[in-house]
Amino acid sequence: AQSVTQLDSQVPVFEEAPVELRCNYSSSVSVYLFWYVQYPNQGLQLLLKYLSGSTLVKGINGFEAEFNKSQTSFHLRKPSVHISDTAEYFCAVSEGNFGNEKLTFGTGTRLTIIP
Amino acid sequence: GAVVSQHPSWVICKSGTSVKIECRSLDFQATTMFWYRQFPKQSLMLMATSNEGSKATYEQGVEKDKFLINHASLTLSTLTVTSAHPEDSSFYICSARGRDFYNEQFFGPGTRLTVL
Repeated sequence: AQSVTQLDSQVPVFEEAPVELRCNYSSSVSVYLFWYVQYPNQGLQLLLKYLSGSTLVKGINGFEAEFNKSQTSFHLRKPSVHISDTAEYFCAVSEGNFGNEKLTFGTGTRLTIIP
Repeated sequence: GAVVSQHPSWVICKSGTSVKIECRSLDFQATTMFWYRQFPKQSLMLMATSNEGSKATYEQGVEKDKFLINHASLTLSTLTVTSAHPEDSSFYICSARGRDFYNEQFFGPGTRLTVL
């Protein structure tokens, strides 16, 4: 069974500083990996995804993530954050078996940008 | 990207009543729709998966008689919370997946249910 661990429940960062949100996963098969952002009282918006190919994935709003198979990680990074990046971030995994589209979510990381 | 809507965005009801939540894919055909539940400050928990024209598959621990899911067309799925109680108060989010978007789910904006 697949699982996702987001070790940091809250991450405060000063504006314009870099940030890394950590995500580790567990799966017995190949996986697809996703990062979603959720603003208060809203649904989820896809930031980026890894399906195959290059392990460095670039997404929207200046975010990027790197898939590391040996460390089973998919950490999210941004070189310079803005106030508008304050939100909840969820890492998710979907096992790469055709027909199994279930997403398993981590517990989320609340990113707070300090002016 | 593909757009998914939910209606209503919020609903308040009395204990014992039933509430229906609609999830629509606006610009694509959703072969599969998913229903999630999110408690305050927690992650999304998958409740059930529904494929168009067939019965929903519920996750372990989810009462299928309480959470009725219908996916009658390629653009609409409904979740009915029957005989709602205060413990059913939560944020319900649907997502949809279509043939043209392999393995990517598009999420609706969510519905906040409050049962008094």
